[in-house]
Amino acid sequence: GQNIDQPTEMTATEGAIVQINCTYQTSGFNGLFWYQQHAGEAPTFLSYNVLDGLEEKGRFSSFLSRSKGYSYLLLKELQMKDSASYLCAVRAPGAGSYQLTFGKGTKLSVIP
Amino acid sequence: DGGITQSPKYLFRKEGQNVTLSCEQNLNHDAMYWYRQDPGQGLRLIYYSQIVNDFQKGDIAEGYSVSREKKESFPLTVTSAQKNPTAFYLCASSIGVGKETQYFGPGTRLLVL
Repeated sequence: GQNIDQPTEMTATEGAIVQINCTYQTSGFNGLFWYQQHAGEAPTFLSYNVLDGLEEKGRFSSFLSRSKGYSYLLLKELQMKDSASYLCAVRAPGAGSYQLTFGKGTKLSVIP
Repeated sequence: DGGITQSPKYLFRKEGQNVTLSCEQNLNHDAMYWYRQDPGQGLRLIYYSQIVNDFQKGDIAEGYSVSREKKESFPLTVTSAQKNPTAFYLCASSIGVGKETQYFGPGTRLLVL
């Protein structure tokens, strides 16, 4: 089976840096995605990692270690609008093809 | 603008009633997906389609049905057999199954009267 773990909630201060961790145990691996989801809205794509290392995109960076089954999303210079849920998803074989399996999401609250 | 649209935004279902959720995309994507999101749970795959006139069951297909008669459209029917239909339903598309990023529509919230 597929299992993805991430913290349920986190709180951080405006202007600070926050790291959201994701660990996974899956049968096969073909990439890891991070999505941002504001309450009541659709998830929006943030980043994709398939090889080990760090991918940087503006204030957001994502890291992957395939041998450890571990990823993190790093958010710098936090803004109030970053308050949202952050979803970790792994692409792995399932239901007859490669599918995305999602974690339960981490709700980030940014406080002044 | 290219994108994915879902309608309606809110839908109410009476006991024993079938309801259909619409999903349309103009991204020229081959693959389309339906997910269900419940509070405190991750997105769970209901059905997906790799190409027109083809679709496959996901992890929680019981009580749902789909069709894919056009590349742009992938409607989901929630049947009366689905005993706990209250959820947020999200449609997504990608260039192909197992290829590239999935992009999501705005979602439909289904409530039972």
